[in-house]
Amino acid sequence: DADVTQTPRNRITKTGKRIMLECSQTKGHDRMYWYRQDPGLGLRLIYYSFDVKDINKGEISDGYSVSRQAQAKFSLSLESAIPNQTALYFCATSDPERRQGNTGELFFGEGSRLTVL
Amino acid sequence: AQSVTQPDIHITVSEGASLELRCNYSYGATPYLFWYVQSPGQGLQLLLKYFSGDTLVQGIKGFEAEFKRSQSSFNPRKPSVHWSDAAEYFCAVGASGSQGNLIFGKGTKLSVKP
Repeated sequence: DADVTQTPRNRITKTGKRIMLECSQTKGHDRMYWYRQDPGLGLRLIYYSFDVKDINKGEISDGYSVSRQAQAKFSLSLESAIPNQTALYFCATSDPERRQGNTGELFFGEGSRLTVL
Repeated sequence: AQSVTQPDIHITVSEGASLELRCNYSYGATPYLFWYVQSPGQGLQLLLKYFSGDTLVQGIKGFEAEFKRSQSSFNPRKPSVHWSDAAEYFCAVGASGSQGNLIFGKGTKLSVKP
């Protein structure tokens, strides 16, 4: 089983609909992230969370919200989806401590492809 | 501020040829440098990372990279490319401070000719 699991893997929806992408992890990491990938733009950070009570906006948070339901679960919501939110979304986790040998590497899920018509 | 720039959007190499991927890094006192690989339809997998210690790093898929502080470079190399290396490659730098977020480049897409 994957350490970082995203659902759904693919979703097609219509403009104005509410969409939730879910992420769960079994790595025991405190930090979780949502990134968006668009062709030619790389990965851009939407939101990140260092623990259940800590939520932070990333580079492109407008139009998105998140919920950290538990240490292992981090959901991304689009309250009213629009076509330019069509993208590949990745959840990631990392270990919080920058100890010797731990570089803050991100561990990614397999992605959720969202199409907004 | 930390930043990364990948100068090559798309590279095509012949199978069996050598390969070097490039990234221009800007980092603070301590570099946290990463390369990730994304095969078609897949998530991102760590290819290489450098934090400290030995500057020559061995990664997955037969890649290695040498951290050169004077050049701010950490470029993966592979002496003989295989068709399965066709993928998109992303460099990333760890942000300073306690956040630990990564800043990603825009990616280099590698195509492999038979």
